[in-house]
Amino acid sequence: QKEVEQNSGPLSVPEGAIASLNCTYSDRVSQSFFWYRQYSGKSPELIMSIYSNGDKEDGRFTAQLNKASQYVSLLIRDSQPSDSATYLCAAHTRNTGNQFYFGTGTSLTVIP
Amino acid sequence: GAGVSQTPSNKVTEKGKYVELRCDPISGHTALYWYRQSLGQGPEFLIYFQGTGAADDSGLPNDRFFAVRPEGSVSTLKIQRTERGDSAVYLCASSPTGGDTEAFFGQGTRLTVV
Repeated sequence: QKEVEQNSGPLSVPEGAIASLNCTYSDRVSQSFFWYRQYSGKSPELIMSIYSNGDKEDGRFTAQLNKASQYVSLLIRDSQPSDSATYLCAAHTRNTGNQFYFGTGTSLTVIP
Repeated sequence: GAGVSQTPSNKVTEKGKYVELRCDPISGHTALYWYRQSLGQGPEFLIYFQGTGAADDSGLPNDRFFAVRPEGSVSTLKIQRTERGDSAVYLCASSPTGGDTEAFFGQGTRLTVV
C-alpha cells in the first residue's frame, strides 16, 4: 500500500452540491494531514490542515480525520465552478527524515 | 517576499546539459523542500533542508541531482547531465519550522529536456 492513496476521479458535481473527496493512508505516515488544491498548470495551494480526530471547518471546506479507519476527507459545500481543480491529500512521514507524502490527486469538476 | 518564489518559471535545455533551479522561500521559514511533479502524479519528494543543512536527501533519484542552501534562505537545485526523464515541474515549498507544520509551495519551474 502506498503511504497516501486517493481516487483519481474524475469527480463531477453540480454547482451548489457537496463535493466529497477521500484519502486513505498507511501506518508509515504520522497524524498530520493536509489538503492542497491545484489548478491546471499551477502549483499546489494549501487549503487546510488537520491534526486531530474529527472535523475541522473553514468556510465552505470541512476536513474530516478518522484515525481508526485511517482516512481523511475533504467536503466542499455549495460547490462553485471555481472549485474545479485537482485536490491533493498529503501526510507527513512518521519515520526518520522529513517529508510529506502526496496522493496522486482527485480531479473535481463543478458543473454550472 | 510574500510567498515562495522560484526562477525560472520555464527552462528548456538540451540533453546532457547542466541546469540550476532557484528557490527563494518565505522570509523567516527555516524549512525548505524540493519536490518534483510529473503530469497526472502527485508531488514526489526530493530533499528537505532545515536551515543550511540537508536534513533529508533520501528522495534525490541519483547523484546527478544536488541541492544547496548555503545561507539558510535561498536554495538551488542542480541537475547535471540532464536526461529527458528529468522533464517535470520542480516545486519548492517552505514552512516556518519544518516537522509536520504547513508547507507552502512556489509556482514551480517547468523543466523540459530535449
